[in-house]
Amino acid sequence: RKEVEQDPGPFNVPEGATVAFNCTYSNSASQSFFWYRQDCRKEPKLLMSVYSSGNEDGRFTAQLNRASQYISLLIRDSKLSDSATYLCVVNMVTSGTYKYIFGTGTRLKVLA
Amino acid sequence: GAVVSQHPSWVICKSGTSVKIECRSLDFQATTMFWYRQFPKQSLMLMATSNEGSKATYEQGVEKDKFLINHASLTLSTLTVTSAHPEDSSFYICSARGLAENTGELFFGEGSRLTVL
Repeated sequence: RKEVEQDPGPFNVPEGATVAFNCTYSNSASQSFFWYRQDCRKEPKLLMSVYSSGNEDGRFTAQLNRASQYISLLIRDSKLSDSATYLCVVNMVTSGTYKYIFGTGTRLKVLA
Repeated sequence: GAVVSQHPSWVICKSGTSVKIECRSLDFQATTMFWYRQFPKQSLMLMATSNEGSKATYEQGVEKDKFLINHASLTLSTLTVTSAHPEDSSFYICSARGLAENTGELFFGEGSRLTVL
C-alpha cells in the first residue's frame, strides 16, 4: 500500500461547480498535512495546511480525519484558473527522520 | 513568504557528463533540504534528505554515488548528477523548511529540468 494515495483523476468540472478530493495516508503517526497545487512543468506551491479542526481559505476548505486517516480538499465555485494538479502531502516520521511524502496528485480541469 | 531559489532552471548535457544543481534559501536558514525527482505525469519522489553539516540520507533505490549531495551551509545545498545518462532526464526539485520546524510547510525551488542526450 502506498504511504499517501490519491485518485489521479482527471476531474473535469464546469465553472462554478463544487469539487472534492480525498487523500488517504498509511502512517498513523503522521504529523502534519498539506495541500499543494502544481501547474504543468512548475514547482508545487502551498495551497493550504490542514488542521485537525478543519480550515477554510476563501473557496477552499480542508479537513483532516485522523481516525480514518484521510484528508480532503473542497473547492467551491470552481474557476478556470483552478485547473491544476493538487498534491496531498503528509509529513511523517520514519526511522527517526521527518519526511514529506507526496501523493500522486489529482488533476483538475475546470471547463468553460 | 520564504524563498528558495534553484539553479539552473534548464540544462541539457551529453551522456556521461556531470551536472550540478544548486538550491539556496534566500531569506531563511534551512537546516534540512529535500531533493525530489519528478518524471512526466508522476508525483514527486523523494530522493534524499540533505542535512547541513552532515551526510545526506538517501531513499531506497537512490544511488548515493551517482547523486552527490552537499549541504555545506545553512543556505545552500547542491545535487550533482554524476555520469548522467538519458534515463536521468527528469525534473529535479529542491525544497527546504526553516530552523526548528520539523513539521512546517515546505518551500520549493523553481525546479531544474535536466535533459541528457
